Amino acid sequence: KQEVTQIPAALSVPEGENLVLNCSFTDSAIYNLQWFRQDPGKGLTSLLLIQSSQREQTSGRLNASLDKSSGRSTLYIAASQPGDSATYLCAVDAGGTSYGKLTFGQGTILTVHP
Amino acid sequence: DGGITQSPKYLFRKEGQNVTLSCEQNLNHDAMYWYRQDPGQGLRLIYYSQIVNDFQKGDIAEGYSVSREKKESFPLTVTSAQKNPTAFYLCASSISPVYNEQFFGPGTRLTVL
Repeated sequence: KQEVTQIPAALSVPEGENLVLNCSFTDSAIYNLQWFRQDPGKGLTSLLLIQSSQREQTSGRLNASLDKSSGRSTLYIAASQPGDSATYLCAVDAGGTSYGKLTFGQGTILTVHP
Repeated sequence: DGGITQSPKYLFRKEGQNVTLSCEQNLNHDAMYWYRQDPGQGLRLIYYSQIVNDFQKGDIAEGYSVSREKKESFPLTVTSAQKNPTAFYLCASSISPVYNEQFFGPGTRLTVL
């Protein structure tokens, strides 16, 4: 059974710092991996999706990498801002007969203070 | 505006009652999903539907039921058989099961009194 772990559980940084969030998964046979952002009491916002054949994806100040063989993904946030404060979740899709069935990590709570 | 709507935002239920949570999308997506989120935990899949008139159980389907009679709609019923229904419920959709970047609605918070 796929298990997804996110480290650290919480992170507090000063504004302007570059930071890395980590996601690891136990079964490397994945179809894709998706990173989400969740603000308190809200739904999830999709940030980046990486297919299993890709090594990284970029969107603005965000860069997500994928190392399928080692079961790891990282989300890099450049020049962090207070508006980046949120919970960040990663989720993996095993594909095959389970297309769309995402397994989520527990998230990293990020606080960026001015 | 294209998107996913969920209603109501807050729902209170007495023990022993069934309640239905609404999820509607106007994105023309084939696939739809229901998740449950508990404090300090990641999301867990309840049910998913890859196409109209078809749906499959997720990891925690016991005590829940769904229907998919229209492409745009995927309502979730929380039955009295669900022992611990208090949670935040999130609906999502994707273009298809294969092109499956998932987009989420704003959620419904259910509280059992």
